[in-house]
Amino acid sequence: GQNIDQPTEMTATEGAIVQINCTYQTSGFNGLFWYQQHAGEAPTFLSYNVLDGLEEKGRFSSFLSRSKGYSYLLLKELQMKDSASYLCAVRGSYIPTFGRGTSLIVHP
Amino acid sequence: DGGITQSPKYLFRKEGQNVTLSCEQNLNHDAMYWYRQDPGQGLRLIYYSQIVNDFQKGDIAEGYSVSREKKESFPLTVTSAQKNPTAFYLCASSRGLAGVTDTQYFGPGTRLTVL
Repeated sequence: GQNIDQPTEMTATEGAIVQINCTYQTSGFNGLFWYQQHAGEAPTFLSYNVLDGLEEKGRFSSFLSRSKGYSYLLLKELQMKDSASYLCAVRGSYIPTFGRGTSLIVHP
Repeated sequence: DGGITQSPKYLFRKEGQNVTLSCEQNLNHDAMYWYRQDPGQGLRLIYYSQIVNDFQKGDIAEGYSVSREKKESFPLTVTSAQKNPTAFYLCASSRGLAGVTDTQYFGPGTRLTVL
């Protein structure tokens, strides 16, 4: 089975940096995904990690440590439009299993 | 423009009625998926299909059925046997299942309310 844990909610200030953590326990590992989902909309793909280390993509970066079963999504220079739910999904073998998501609230 | 479409955006049905949610993709993806999302629950897998005429049950398949007669289409039927069908339903597709490039892309979702 798989177990994925993320904080339920986080708040941050516009312009700041926020780190959203994801810990997981899986039988097998074939990649970790981060998605952004605005309320009532489809999740949109942000990043994919399969090897240890940091992947940077503009304001967003994602880190993975397979030995620790740990990932984080780092959002820099926060904007109001970054207020959304962030989903961590782990692919054990074929189909990703999703965490419950972290609701990020960015305030002025 | 390539993408995934789901219709309708909002759907209301009376209890005891079957209802079919449509999902179409023109990304030429082989794999397609149906997820259900409830508040505070995350996405839960209902069914998935790797290729045409083949599909597999996910974690919560009871009360649902699917078909995959065409590569582009993967409709989901919510039957009267589903005890709590009111939810947000998301369809996704990917090129394949397990490769590095097999990222899932999601449709806009259908919010089903059973009265």
